Amino acid sequence: AQKVTQAQTEISVVEKEDVTLDCVYETRDTTYYLFWYKQPPSGELVFLIRRNSFDEQNEISGRYSWNFQKSTSSFNFTITASQVVDSAVYFCALSEARDDKIIFGKGTRLHILP
Amino acid sequence: DAGITQSPRHKVTETGTPVTLRCHQTENHRYMYWYRQDPGHGLRLIHYSYGVKDTDKGEVSDGYSVSRSKTEDFLLTLESATSSQTSVYFCAISGLDLGDQYFGPGTRLLVL
Repeated sequence: AQKVTQAQTEISVVEKEDVTLDCVYETRDTTYYLFWYKQPPSGELVFLIRRNSFDEQNEISGRYSWNFQKSTSSFNFTITASQVVDSAVYFCALSEARDDKIIFGKGTRLHILP
Repeated sequence: DAGITQSPRHKVTETGTPVTLRCHQTENHRYMYWYRQDPGHGLRLIHYSYGVKDTDKGEVSDGYSVSRSKTEDFLLTLESATSSQTSVYFCAISGLDLGDQYFGPGTRLLVL
C-alpha cells in the first residue's frame, strides 16, 4: 500500500536560515508521482511541484529545491534563505500510476522566526 | 488559478441533519476529489470521481456519499451529520494524467 511519512511535525528556524523538510514514501509501483503542497495560514492549498518516478533530477525554483532519491524513497524539500512568508504547513503526497488517488503525508508545520 | 469553487464556505449544523457540500469546476477536468483536513491527520481522501457517475471510496468514506451527474459538479453528502465530521473539507481536481492537482478554497463545517 502507498504511504507517505513526514516525520517532522513542526520546525522552527530563524529567518535567512536554510531548512529541509523530509518526506519518505512507500509504494509497490515502479511508476508513480510525488508532490509538494504549501498551506499558508490563510488556509488554501498551493501546488508547488510534481515529480515522476523516472525523473530523479533535482529541481530548483528560486529559493526552493527538491531532492528526489529513489534509493532511499525520499523526496525532500529545501528552502534556502528562508523568509517569514515561508511559514506554512507543507504536505508531501504520492500517487501511483495504476491508481487514481493521491495520498498525503500528515504535513510539517514550518515557522520562520523574524 | 484553476477554476474551482466550493459552497458553502462555512456551515454550522446540528447532529443528525443532512448536509451537502458542492464542488464546482470550470476546467473540464476528469478527476474530482473530496478530502477532509483534521489536526494531526493531514489530508485524508473521502471519495473521488474519475468521470460522470463514476466514483470510488477513499480511506475515510464511512458516513459520506457522493454524486457526480455533470462533469463540473461533485457533491459530498453527509446523510446524518455527526460531531466527528466537524472538519475542513477540500475539493480538488486533476486532469487525465493525474498531473497538478488543484484545490478549492475549502469548506469549514461545524457539527454541534
